[in-house]
Amino acid sequence: ETGVTQSPTHLIKTRGQQVTLRCSSQSGHNTVSWYQQALGQGPQFIFQYYREEENGRGNFPPRFSGLQFPNYSSELNVNALELDDSALYLCASSQTGFVEQFFGPGTRLTVL
Amino acid sequence: GESVGLHLPTLSVQEGDNSIINCAYSNSASDYFIWYKQESGKGPQFIIDIRSNMDKRQGQRVTVLLNKTVKHLSLQIAATQPGDSAVYFCAAVNTDKLIFGTGTRLQVFP
Repeated sequence: ETGVTQSPTHLIKTRGQQVTLRCSSQSGHNTVSWYQQALGQGPQFIFQYYREEENGRGNFPPRFSGLQFPNYSSELNVNALELDDSALYLCASSQTGFVEQFFGPGTRLTVL
Repeated sequence: GESVGLHLPTLSVQEGDNSIINCAYSNSASDYFIWYKQESGKGPQFIIDIRSNMDKRQGQRVTVLLNKTVKHLSLQIAATQPGDSAVYFCAAVNTDKLIFGTGTRLQVFP
């Protein structure tokens, strides 16, 4: 059984650019959630995907968007990057909603 | 807006002692609560959860207590070990959102 994997590990972008982060869910999990974790803070819920449909969203602007694919892997896209988007982006997968989510190691995004 | 907060940013305990980490939440409609452990450079790791129709749940060396009247939950770790050193987050689920607290750093000294 493979765990949750994320790519890339680190990424540096400049303000105004666009970025795509990727997540492979744990085997048997059909739900993927994305979180943003600023340094020293708790993760903030961005959105959740269940069977390729968005299933809940936190307080993030529309420039944060996502996709889930038929194999349940997922992408997080952020357009028009801002300096405050610098953070650790975490992906988590589960069989049902937020129950027993397994987190990936995260992607560290730096916006200059 | 709704919030989840931990009472102490840092908790220092001696190895072998019991640890108690406390958390308060604001939304009385929250129906599911989760405790996570996050070690440096890693994603959060599920520890234990509890639904709003329960007031106590036990795992291996950990117990979660939920007091819905005062909107408070706690995580108790028995016989704290050096490997328990990490940041601990409580999180509350309300319908389709998961709200994390700010975290308590648990430091275990010999």
